Amino acid sequence: TQLLEQSPQFLSIQEGENLTVYCNSSSVFSSLQWYRQEPGEGPVLLVTVVTGGEVKKLKRLTFQFGDARKDSSLHITAAQPGDTGLYLCAGGGDYKLSFGAGTTVTVRA
Amino acid sequence: NAGVTQTPKFQVLKTGQSMTLQCAQDMNHNSMYWYRQDPGMGLRLIYYSASEGTTDKGEVPNGYNVSRLNKREFSLRLESAAPSQTSVYFCAATGRTEDNEQFFGPGTRLTVL
Repeated sequence: TQLLEQSPQFLSIQEGENLTVYCNSSSVFSSLQWYRQEPGEGPVLLVTVVTGGEVKKLKRLTFQFGDARKDSSLHITAAQPGDTGLYLCAGGGDYKLSFGAGTTVTVRA
Repeated sequence: NAGVTQTPKFQVLKTGQSMTLQCAQDMNHNSMYWYRQDPGMGLRLIYYSASEGTTDKGEVPNGYNVSRLNKREFSLRLESAAPSQTSVYFCAATGRTEDNEQFFGPGTRLTVL
């Protein structure tokens, strides 16, 4: 059983459209991270959110941490083909992270 | 500054063979990790080493052993490979920074026939 549930599993959209990816859990996390992974490479950290209700923006990407620190969302505005990849959320304690199964995002030109 | 490096990049084994996956980091980070990634299952932690001289089991340790050789190197050994161990293996390191970022290697794609 996955500690962190991500939805949807796959998302295919046209360039210029918006998209939202969700990460949900029944557990409370002290922090939650979002990584992006491209084919043949390891994941790369996009952002870490630590405060309930926190919103962080990274250019066209907006990350939100739920008030209860159990869920998070990633919103991409005006998606571009370069946003294509596997998006993973991860949460955990001092040394260990638990990862969601990921959302595969494909942005068509 | 290479970050986290892994060798080999690809490997094919027959059932019952053994092999060691190598990982090294040049970031002077204390903690290192081994994950496996399978379709639809995300990254699952096999073993981790919070600091030099310590190792602990993760979520899926059966069939694997690890060695934290020094602060830089953390190896993963399959003593008797099984087809269920076909996967992509990632090594990661973290330095207990404020955002707890894990830095990943490029992965090893292992096929067990």
